[in-house]
Amino acid sequence: AQRVTQPEKLLSVFKGAPVELKCNYSYSGSPELFWYVQYSRQRLQLLLRHISRESIKGFTADLNKGETSFHLKKPFAQEEDSAMYYCALYTGGFKTIFGAGTRLFVKA
Amino acid sequence: SAVISQKPSRDICQRGTSLTIQCQVDSQVTMMFWYRQQPGQSLTLIATANQGSEATYESGFVIDKFPISRPNLTFSTLTVSNMSPEDSSIYLCSVEESREQYFGPGTRLTVT
Repeated sequence: AQRVTQPEKLLSVFKGAPVELKCNYSYSGSPELFWYVQYSRQRLQLLLRHISRESIKGFTADLNKGETSFHLKKPFAQEEDSAMYYCALYTGGFKTIFGAGTRLFVKA
Repeated sequence: SAVISQKPSRDICQRGTSLTIQCQVDSQVTMMFWYRQQPGQSLTLIATANQGSEATYESGFVIDKFPISRPNLTFSTLTVSNMSPEDSSIYLCSVEESREQYFGPGTRLTVT
């Protein structure tokens, strides 16, 4: 079955602390994984995709096929990182499956 | 990257009525997608709209309840029919480019 799991609904950290948002997937093919972010009062938008291997706004995510994970990490969280984060799996045929989302709250 | 607009941005409707949501894209796209985003929950794909053919609905969604039109390559509508309070949600239009999803701002629907 094709599935994306984000085990944490809410993650609260202090400013300057490291943050890791967990994502696990189930997919029989070669996965293409993404992180999307929705800031307050803004539309949902792409944060990063695993094939680009970039760091966006200080966030990185490494695909671990052995653990079927694609965790999102940032070494020092900022208040402006507070948002809803969705892990997503492109399954082909123009379709994307989204995880349930994790709300990140960065406290001052 | 595609720019998507939706109308209306929000509405409050009485149960039993219908609402049509419009989605406009600034470029021609093959597929357009309609999602539902309920508070505290993930995005759920309602249907995929391909120009010139019937929309493809996901499990749990039917054409009678969510009829979709796709008259051309830049426009689509989603109608929420015979609404009940359970239909209260945010409805999102989306397109895909290079496997990346682009989203509209959403339509916040409240059914009373």
